[in-house]
Amino acid sequence: ETGVTQTPRHLVMGMTNKKSLKCEQHLGHNAMYWYKQSAKKPLELMFVYSLEERVENNSVPSRFSPECPNSSHLFLHLHTLQPEDSALYLCASSQRNSPLHFGNGTRLTVT
Amino acid sequence: AQSVTQLGSHVSVSEGALVLLRCNYSSSVPPYLFWYVQYPNQGLQLLLKYTSAATLVKGINGFEAEFKKSETSFHLTKPSAHMSDAAEYFCAVSANTGGFKTIFGAGTRLFVKA
Repeated sequence: ETGVTQTPRHLVMGMTNKKSLKCEQHLGHNAMYWYKQSAKKPLELMFVYSLEERVENNSVPSRFSPECPNSSHLFLHLHTLQPEDSALYLCASSQRNSPLHFGNGTRLTVT
Repeated sequence: AQSVTQLGSHVSVSEGALVLLRCNYSSSVPPYLFWYVQYPNQGLQLLLKYTSAATLVKGINGFEAEFKKSETSFHLTKPSAHMSDAAEYFCAVSANTGGFKTIFGAGTRLFVKA
């Protein structure tokens, strides 16, 4: 398998649930990213992991928690989400000097 | 600081017509510029990139873009639209050639009429 794989593709969760999104890259890249894509808004960078360093967007609520156990895997842990968190969550990877490669995303609906 | 503005959230063309999607950028350092395409139910895919070599950049699927420093623009064009070009297109700017700190525009949805 090649590229960037995200699971699940669709997720419906209640506001009190805890769930996790998974991303795996098979490109040998050394940086991984989480983006949030909401309708009619620019892509919002949430978190970056590179060479075991984490960079985060300070506007991201603490109910989103990333985990990067190694250079190939990235998780986004979700808890007590709000309806406005419903969006497409995109994972991407890159080398420091190469463009982003995206997965197909997880469509999250919070009820 | 860097930013990207895409003019027009929706563009509609007839099949076979010229496609022109507009992008203007702001950057305090020499920019690296990208166009990405997103088809329904998929992630973003790189169409082309400008990295300070030739100002006219050719990408996949017959698309090209021209970097114009004086106009701070990086418009995307294709001479003849095909139905399969219907998608959302994103312009992006970065301070380097890599993914770090890539700033995306809001996107332009392209409709192609038969």
